[in-house]
Amino acid sequence: GAVVSQHPSRVICKSGTSVKIECRSLDFQATTMFWYRQFPKKSLMLMATSNEGSKATYEQGVEKDKFLINHASLTLSTLTVTSAHPEDSSFYICSAGARERGTDTQYFGPGTRLTVL
Amino acid sequence: SQQGEEDPQALSIQEGENATMNCSYKTSINNLQWYRQNSGRGLVHLILIRSNEREKHSGRLRVTLDTSKKSSSLLITASRAADTASYFCATVRTGANNLFFGTGTRLTVIP
Repeated sequence: GAVVSQHPSRVICKSGTSVKIECRSLDFQATTMFWYRQFPKKSLMLMATSNEGSKATYEQGVEKDKFLINHASLTLSTLTVTSAHPEDSSFYICSAGARERGTDTQYFGPGTRLTVL
Repeated sequence: SQQGEEDPQALSIQEGENATMNCSYKTSINNLQWYRQNSGRGLVHLILIRSNEREKHSGRLRVTLDTSKKSSSLLITASRAADTASYFCATVRTGANNLFFGTGTRLTVIP
């Protein structure tokens, strides 16, 4: 199946700093990438949808200035958590829809665990 | 926002037994998908069933879809300890391409 990677897998940062998370599709071109947030023992909440070369579409309640998303190429999307606070601590997961495979199936990255001290 | 509810929230069974998880959703859908997540890891896509399909099989997995009741079920037959994980249903709404996840079922298979 298609492979999606995320980097870093874990990050610990101080409150007030910014953290960038990368999501890469390794063996296919991803026209659309999705960013999710997951709290412990909870479901995934869609944060935003990003299409290559255009601005991301954010879900209601998600601050676009807080969570900056860039989808600069068909294989890379980045999520930057700006001025992180402890309440931003969470598990962030990206997924990618594969153009040639249709977008019905999303391929998920392994996730990034962010801890803000 | 979350689309669906799953029940049970947690399920514990003996190895070899069958596990059934249910998912209900609220809006018209294009398809429904089931995913598995091991603790603290990413999601693995298990199976996709389209709105015009009623049942689908993949190995030990059987998925049903009842669009009139807006519900789906995932059956895992002859469960194994390695099936222990959280299972999520997710829907793609008509006219959209993003996934909305259910609340998940934590399955524990006791060896």
